[in-house]
Amino acid sequence: AQKVTQAQTEISVVEKEDVTLDCVYETRDTTYYLFWYKQPPSGELVFLIRRNSFDEQNEISGRYSWNFQKSTSSFNFTITASQVVDSAVYFCATKTGANSKLTFGKGITLSVRP
Amino acid sequence: GAGVSQSPRYKVAKRGQDVALRCDPISGHVSLFWYQQALGQGPEFLTYFQNEAQLDKSGLPSDRFFAERPEGSVSTLKIQRTQQEDSAVYLCASSSRTLSYEQYFGPGTRLTVT
Repeated sequence: AQKVTQAQTEISVVEKEDVTLDCVYETRDTTYYLFWYKQPPSGELVFLIRRNSFDEQNEISGRYSWNFQKSTSSFNFTITASQVVDSAVYFCATKTGANSKLTFGKGITLSVRP
Repeated sequence: GAGVSQSPRYKVAKRGQDVALRCDPISGHVSLFWYQQALGQGPEFLTYFQNEAQLDKSGLPSDRFFAERPEGSVSTLKIQRTQQEDSAVYLCASSSRTLSYEQYFGPGTRLTVT
């Protein structure tokens, strides 16, 4: 079975600060996929990124970057120069090649203050 | 409107009533998923369809929960004899491939059982 641990529950930063959201996953499968979703106050889950287990390259998209390290089973998400609009709950999730369901962590509530 | 839509957005039911929640996936998406999200928690898998076939219903919490997708498009999640513990947001997601691709979520239906 898969498991995702998001040890941080709530993070509060001041606008323009950098912030890193941690994610640790557990799986016995050799092929798996990792995701980050954003859930703003409106409630809809917004897809941010998918990484495959065989591709450990880090990725940067604008102010967002992701650090995937198989050695520590971590898939951390960094927001650079945070903005108030980044305030949301962020979920890390995993799925395996053999099972299509997503397994989510409990989420991290990020508050960015002006 | 190319996204996943769900209706109703909000539903209040008295304990013991039956409810039906509807999901319209993204056109052409063969895979459809239902998740339950309790307050302050991450979404938890309920069931999965590939076209009209229900391939995984391992997450349904009891036999009071029933889902169908008779024509491989719209899906309905039915809860019979609702209980207070059924109060949650019910999320529907669709994806274009079965194993590796990201799932796109609808806005959810918030069910409150009084």
